[in-house]
Amino acid sequence: EVQLVESGGGVVRPGGSLRLSCAASGFTFDDYGMSWVRQAPGKGLEWVSGINWNGGSTGYADSVKGRFTISRDNAKNSLYLQMNSLRAEDTALYHCARDLEVTVTGAFDIWGQGTMVTVSS
Amino acid sequence: QSVLTQPPSASGTPGQRVTISCSGSSSNIGSNYVYWYQQLPGTAPKLLIYRNNQRPSGVPDRFSGSKSGTSASLAISGLRSEDEADYYCAAWDDSLSASYVFGTGTKVTVL
Repeated sequence: EVQLVESGGGVVRPGGSLRLSCAASGFTFDDYGMSWVRQAPGKGLEWVSGINWNGGSTGYADSVKGRFTISRDNAKNSLYLQMNSLRAEDTALYHCARDLEVTVTGAFDIWGQGTMVTVSS
Repeated sequence: QSVLTQPPSASGTPGQRVTISCSGSSSNIGSNYVYWYQQLPGTAPKLLIYRNNQRPSGVPDRFSGSKSGTSASLAISGLRSEDEADYYCAAWDDSLSASYVFGTGTKVTVL
């Protein structure tokens, strides 16, 4: 079964850090670009960051640029999101998503159920 | 504040055709592909349409996408109760730093 499972969410104070992980299974991980997409409670979807198949190309939303870092370990079939200098507005459910292609095109055909990040003092 | 604008809500009776609009600009819809996602309550989003009008395998042909200029539309024909969900358009935006943006979302209600 093709599956993405996120982990690493939790409650963190403003200014703190968190590292999210996404474990992929059921497909050849390094054949696909990957992204993180978040959804604040009761709000819409927001693309956070994306990475191509070999990690050679990455992109970020302006709202997280300079604070978040996306990476992947194809040997471990895993995607990561290092989040630093967290703010209250980063509170959201974070989904990892697989792209249809090796690059990040925006066609996310497989999604994980998400891991919740709450930034609060 | 998203750069892709959708109506907050749309509705129809079973069997009807419902259309959702997505309005953008020359830096996003006008020069890039449009994608559509369906999000059922309490679940992760699902890809409905990619590259303006292509359906992934398994998506019923009741769902269709189109694009004209700086706007796009998703049509749902033969509306069914299970279509009640939030729908989001999305596209790359080339202004300043390239970023992938989602629309504001439309809640579809089946009456």
